[in-house]
Amino acid sequence: EVQLLESGGGLVQPGGSLRLSCATSGFTFSSYAMSWVRQAPGKGLEWVSRINTNGGNTDYADSVKGRFTISRDNPKNTLYLQMNSLRAEDTAVYYCARGGLGQYNKYGLDVWGQGTTVTVSS
Amino acid sequence: DIQMTQSPSSLSASVGDRVTITCRASQGISNYLAWFQQKPGKAPKSLIYAASSLQSGVPSKFSGSGSGTDFTFTISSLQPEDFATYYCQQYNSYPLTFGGGTKVEIK
Repeated sequence: EVQLLESGGGLVQPGGSLRLSCATSGFTFSSYAMSWVRQAPGKGLEWVSRINTNGGNTDYADSVKGRFTISRDNPKNTLYLQMNSLRAEDTAVYYCARGGLGQYNKYGLDVWGQGTTVTVSS
Repeated sequence: DIQMTQSPSSLSASVGDRVTITCRASQGISNYLAWFQQKPGKAPKSLIYAASSLQSGVPSKFSGSGSGTDFTFTISSLQPEDFATYYCQQYNSYPLTFGGGTKVEIK
């Protein structure tokens, strides 16, 4: 069974940092691009970042560019999101999802984790 | 960035009704369009990829159509477990973008 399990969320003060992890199992992790998507309380879905299969190519939403860094450890089957200079508007549930662009994987964001909650507040 | 405009933002329907949601992209996205279902407190679930293909295990009461800029999602006969929020999403180019969502409520 394909599974994604996020961890690392919590309460952090504005300007602080957090590192999210997404442990995966049940598929060949190194064969898939991976993404992070977030959802602010009561709001819709917002794509945050993606990384290609070998970690050599990344993209970010403008709202997090320069503050967040996505990375992956293929031998450990784990995806990461390093979040620095956090702001109140970064408060959200953060989901990891398998997939990226359709030209590389027609199935899109086909599998999602259960999410981890990040709250930025003083 | 590609903007995804989804309508309606909410609808009320009865069990057994046919429900249709539309999604328009601000520029052509070929058929790289997905539909998701999200229930309160849960992660989104992918229902449809490539505009009209069902993800594995998704019942055939869900369907999608369209290409280019205009897309449609249909539930053929609404059941109690289908009351949820539905999102469209383009994965033709980065940044990936989502529609604003359609909340399907019980009439």
